[in-house]
Amino acid sequence: SQTIHQWPATLVQPVGSPLSLECTVEGTSNPNLYWYRQAAGRGLQLLFYSVGIGQISSEVPQNLSASRPQDRQFILSSKKLLLSDSGFYLCAGRDGYNSPLHFGNGTRLTVT
Amino acid sequence: DQQVKQNSPSLSVQEGRISILNCDYTNSMFDYFLWYKKYPAEGPTFLISISSIKDKNEDGRFTVFLNKSAKHLSLHIVPSQPGDSAVYFCAASANTGFQKLVFGTGTRLLVSP
Repeated sequence: SQTIHQWPATLVQPVGSPLSLECTVEGTSNPNLYWYRQAAGRGLQLLFYSVGIGQISSEVPQNLSASRPQDRQFILSSKKLLLSDSGFYLCAGRDGYNSPLHFGNGTRLTVT
Repeated sequence: DQQVKQNSPSLSVQEGRISILNCDYTNSMFDYFLWYKKYPAEGPTFLISISSIKDKNEDGRFTVFLNKSAKHLSLHIVPSQPGDSAVYFCAASANTGFQKLVFGTGTRLLVSP
């Protein structure tokens, strides 16, 4: 099964600074990839998903963007962070339909 | 629009007893359902899944039941153990579009010794 690597584990950034979170996948080819966010006390909100290189779909219009430069690399970015961007960001991958999502260990982002 | 709902934010159970976590959904196109377990500061871990062609799936101490007519699924943990204490999320997807997984808001399970 696939393994999702995500870093850093924690990040504290000032308002207005840029963001780049990287996720890489091991153990599979051409996975569907996802970025989720969990705000404090909330469920998991889907932000972006990708079914292939260069293909990105956005679920929620916001201050963030995503890119997939390689088959097993998924990047979450922002040009200028807002306080409301604070949260727990999770990258996930899936081999295909009727297969479970596998998650990375997440990044705790605090925007100050 | 919350398509997947977990109406109980928390549940307390004694060790050895059964834990029953519930989940309701509204989208009749959902045909694949999953349960995840999450510890603080970690990513969710996949527990068990069920396809809409079944009404029950069992894996060790974990059993998922699906009632399609009621749009309801539940996770049974028997016997419950203190290590089961975590937040449990149910999720659902439909075989349309990009097969997005929609998650509920989670139920915090506390199993006391």
